[in-house]
Amino acid sequence: DQQVKQNSPSLSVQEGRISILNCDYTNSMFDYFLWYKKYPAEGPTFLISISSIKDKNEDGRFTVFLNKSAKHLSLHIVPSQPGDSAVYFCAASGGNTGTASKLTFGTGTRLQVTL
Amino acid sequence: ETGVTQSPTHLIKTRGQQVTLRCSSQSGHNTVSWYQQALGQGPQFIFQYYREEENGRGNFPPRFSGLQFPNYSSELNVNALELDDSALYLCASSLGVNENQPQHFGDGTRLSIL
Repeated sequence: DQQVKQNSPSLSVQEGRISILNCDYTNSMFDYFLWYKKYPAEGPTFLISISSIKDKNEDGRFTVFLNKSAKHLSLHIVPSQPGDSAVYFCAASGGNTGTASKLTFGTGTRLQVTL
Repeated sequence: ETGVTQSPTHLIKTRGQQVTLRCSSQSGHNTVSWYQQALGQGPQFIFQYYREEENGRGNFPPRFSGLQFPNYSSELNVNALELDDSALYLCASSLGVNENQPQHFGDGTRLSIL
């Protein structure tokens, strides 16, 4: 049962344009959402998070939007840069798992930013 | 500020053997979580340790066990290794078990079972 879904395995965007990565979840108990970036041979790096009491959080070029009614979140990167090329994971926590901070991850979206 | 470090980086074992993976948490962090990432998948939660006690477990069999030490470093032990245990094992640390604290990951240990 995939509780966090990233339906686009890959995305290609031109440098300078906006990258939009999407994530859907099914567990209505999730109330904290995070995005991680992963380069090959490295661990995931925390990018940005959002609590369910908000619908938007911005940090520099990165903005995360949360639509609770649709159980959908998205990460916007503006402007996209070649160094943003990586695999992006959406993760969620909360719910009656016994461990509030356990992270449930999606399968990732590979972003390629082209020149 | 020292980040999360894991050792070893790579390991090759055969079926039936036992393995111990190690993790040093980021300075100031008292909570360690372990994840298994199979090829092409997102990380899957194995268990979490907080103040030397297990604080939640994912859907992994008892042959996956762990420890946390007084300095908050941690070990993941896997007994009776199976071929499907081949994966990247990630350790993440955080401050407390408050769900609104991001977890910070090490670079992982790549375990291959022959």
